[in-house]
Amino acid sequence: GQNIDQPTEMTATEGAIVQINCTYQTSGFNGLFWYQQHAGEAPTFLSYNVLDGLEEKGRFSSFLSRSKGYSYLLLKELQMKDSASYLCAVRDPSYNTDKLIFGTGTRLQVFP
Amino acid sequence: DAGVIQSPRHEVTEMGQEVTLRCKPISGHDYLFWYRQTMMRGLELLIYFNNNVPIDDSGMPEDRFSAKMPNASFSTLKIQPSEPRDSAVYFCATTKQGIEQFFGPGTRLTVL
Repeated sequence: GQNIDQPTEMTATEGAIVQINCTYQTSGFNGLFWYQQHAGEAPTFLSYNVLDGLEEKGRFSSFLSRSKGYSYLLLKELQMKDSASYLCAVRDPSYNTDKLIFGTGTRLQVFP
Repeated sequence: DAGVIQSPRHEVTEMGQEVTLRCKPISGHDYLFWYRQTMMRGLELLIYFNNNVPIDDSGMPEDRFSAKMPNASFSTLKIQPSEPRDSAVYFCATTKQGIEQFFGPGTRLTVL
């Protein structure tokens, strides 16, 4: 089976940096995804990691360590609009498809 | 492109009634996923299709739930009979064998 853990809630201040961690236990691995979901809206894709290391995309970066079953999402220069839930998801290795298993999400609140 | 289209956006019904949720995928996308999201359980995959064929329905909670994809432009998720515990937001998402899944706006279902 799959188990994906991430903190339930985090808070941070505008302009700061925040790191959201995700750990997973799976029988195999075929990619890890981060999605952003604002309250009352649909999830939107942020990043994808399949190899170890850091992927940077503007203010957002995502890191993966496959040996540790660990990923983090780093948000720099926080803005109020970054207040949202951040979902970590692992591609199910049982199928060579896009089936994703999602964590329960981390709700981030950014304060002025 | 208009993106993934879902209808209705909100549905309020009484226990025991039949509910049908609809999804129109992005043109050309060959994978379609139905998810359910609740506060307690997060985002759960119910079923997904590839080229209109159901591939994995292991997430469908029970026989009251059924899904169809009669053609590449349309899918339905039906609940019959509905129960209060089915209250959730139901998302449809599609992808073209790519990295990113595109989510529709969701249907907020309330069963009284």
